[in-house]
Amino acid sequence: EVQLVESGGGSIQPGGSLRLSCAASGLTVRSNYMSWVRQAPGKGLEWVSIIYSGGTGGSTFYADSVKGRFTISRDNTKNTVDLQMNSLRAEDTAVYYCARDRHHQGSWYFDLWGRGTLVTVSS
Amino acid sequence: SYLLTQPPSVSVAPGQTAKITCGGNNIGSKSVHWYQQKPGQAPVLVVYDDSDRPSGISERISGFNSGNTATLTISRVEAGDEADYFCQVWDSSRYYVFGSGTKVAVL
Repeated sequence: EVQLVESGGGSIQPGGSLRLSCAASGLTVRSNYMSWVRQAPGKGLEWVSIIYSGGTGGSTFYADSVKGRFTISRDNTKNTVDLQMNSLRAEDTAVYYCARDRHHQGSWYFDLWGRGTLVTVSS
Repeated sequence: SYLLTQPPSVSVAPGQTAKITCGGNNIGSKSVHWYQQKPGQAPVLVVYDDSDRPSGISERISGFNSGNTATLTISRVEAGDEADYFCQVWDSSRYYVFGSGTKVAVL
């Protein structure tokens, strides 16, 4: 079965750091574009970051709201995609989902999602 | 930056048809994708590329996109269709753009 399982969420004080991990099974993260998407409590979906497949150089991109604070990376040996979150703010409180990207001819979407992990930033 | 507009809620009686709109400037020139999210669950892709359905998605769900509005239609609505529905497009400057979501309530 193809699935994504996130871990690493929890409660953290403002200014702190947290590292999320997304373990993939049934697919190879190195061969896929992978993203993190978050959802604040009771709110909509917000794309956070993407890492391109290894075959296309593994480039990374970020939403303006997290640029300079979050870093996405991939561990090919563990088949995981991680999100290092630094300088956390209250507005980063959300469920963080790992998702697989699909794209062709200018069309990009997510065809597989994990169940998410909750990050709460509060003093 | 590109914006997508969705109505906050849509109410529909069982067996009737629900239409969820997603407005955007010339959205008809973009590919629109739709996700269904039930309470406490992760989003699920229900329509991609305006009108295609992934394997396993009910034929009662369909999509259309033209002009400034994309529409997700759920025919013969059932109680199990109650969920939040989000539209999404790809924008070259912001990558993934989501609509604010529409809550479908089955009366």
